[in-house]
Amino acid sequence: GENVEQHPSTLSVQEGDSAVIKCTYSDSASNYFPWYKQELGKRPQLIIDIRSNVGEKKDQRIAVTLNKTAKHFSLHITETQPEDSAVYFCAASVAGNTPLVFGKGTRLSVIA
Amino acid sequence: DAGITQSPRHKVTETGTPVTLRCHQTENHRYMYWYRQDPGHGLRLIHYSYGVKDTDKGEVSDGYSVSRSKTEDFLLTLESATSSQTSVYFCAIGGRTGNTGELFFGEGSRLTVL
Repeated sequence: GENVEQHPSTLSVQEGDSAVIKCTYSDSASNYFPWYKQELGKRPQLIIDIRSNVGEKKDQRIAVTLNKTAKHFSLHITETQPEDSAVYFCAASVAGNTPLVFGKGTRLSVIA
Repeated sequence: DAGITQSPRHKVTETGTPVTLRCHQTENHRYMYWYRQDPGHGLRLIHYSYGVKDTDKGEVSDGYSVSRSKTEDFLLTLESATSSQTSVYFCAIGGRTGNTGELFFGEGSRLTVL
């Protein structure tokens, strides 16, 4: 089955700096790669996703890149703000076919 | 927020007792999931359902059973709770596009097994 590895497990950045979180996946059939944000004590919520037919997707300060050949994808947050502090999870699946498999999460702290 | 509620939200129980967690949705969605969240392990799939009476195991299904007798309800049962099952349990339903991509999560149920 699918295995998703996520790095780093913790990340601290200064406010205004960029943050990058990386994930690798094992199943070459996977074609859907979402990212979830979980604030302290809250439920995970989708912030951005990408499908395997594109290499990059942006939404304001957030972007995701995908390298299908290397089987890795990354989350980029620019101009970080204190409200970006949270745990971020990457995930992978074969859309419409298999449940999401999540990475172990990255705790991002943005220091003001 | 998607119409998904979990109950109970908090429960403390003793080793060996049965526990049932309930997930209720008002979205009429076909797919429902139970995940557990533990520090250092992220979100791990326990069981999922793709329709009434249709369920399948996830990666950490040992010690858990599920039932789905109605579209709106998905029950997770721990037949005999153990301390290793202390966790936060999240129910989720699939995205409105009909595929199993985007998930909407419930607020979570924190279970402590003493």
